[in-house]
Amino acid sequence: KAGVTQTPRYLIKTRGQQVTLSCSPISGHRSVSWYQQTPGQGLQFLFEYFSETQRNKGNFPGRFSGRQFSNSRSEMNVSTLELGDSALYLCASSYYLLAGGRDEQFFGPGTRLTVL
Amino acid sequence: DAKTTQPNSMESNEEEPVHLPCNHSTISGTDYIHWYRQLPSQGPEYVIHGLTSNVNNRMASLAIAEDRKSSTLILHRATLRDAAVYYCIEGAQKLVFGQGTRLTINP
Repeated sequence: KAGVTQTPRYLIKTRGQQVTLSCSPISGHRSVSWYQQTPGQGLQFLFEYFSETQRNKGNFPGRFSGRQFSNSRSEMNVSTLELGDSALYLCASSYYLLAGGRDEQFFGPGTRLTVL
Repeated sequence: DAKTTQPNSMESNEEEPVHLPCNHSTISGTDYIHWYRQLPSQGPEYVIHGLTSNVNNRMASLAIAEDRKSSTLILHRATLRDAAVYYCIEGAQKLVFGQGTRLTINP
């Protein structure tokens, strides 16, 4: 079974631009979550999508948004990029909603975003 | 924010058992305890999770205290490949990661 895939793996943008990252979950998984990882803040939850609906959201500004398609693939978008948005963006999938707590998450390799 | 407490770092020798502790004193009765690890330059990897009873899988064992305020991840025979940052997480709704424990394995 193929794992979680994320594209692109590396991205360089400049301040003010916007970016879209893509995530393909494991086949059959309906929940996709996104995380931001930085050396200073560690791993922080962005949001979770399940059946094309956002089910949970972390404490990030509205510049961070996402969506999920009917095939469970997900995209996240960051508008008006800031230097502080430079980070590793990780996507994870699971069969059940996170809220149940009973399921494991499978993480992708991440997209390394650098904002200049 | 993270509600778990773990030591910042631990060190062990190859082929010896490793016991990684975690305190989760505010855990609710229905929150599972999850453990993930992150190897260098990789995304986090699921290790194990449990609710009340001790759990075993091919990677590790999870020992949960009777009051559920703490748990211990047990790697029975550490290998160099087990060197990673280990995260203990209570609940799973947002998978709130703390700073984790950086485990070093000496050959």
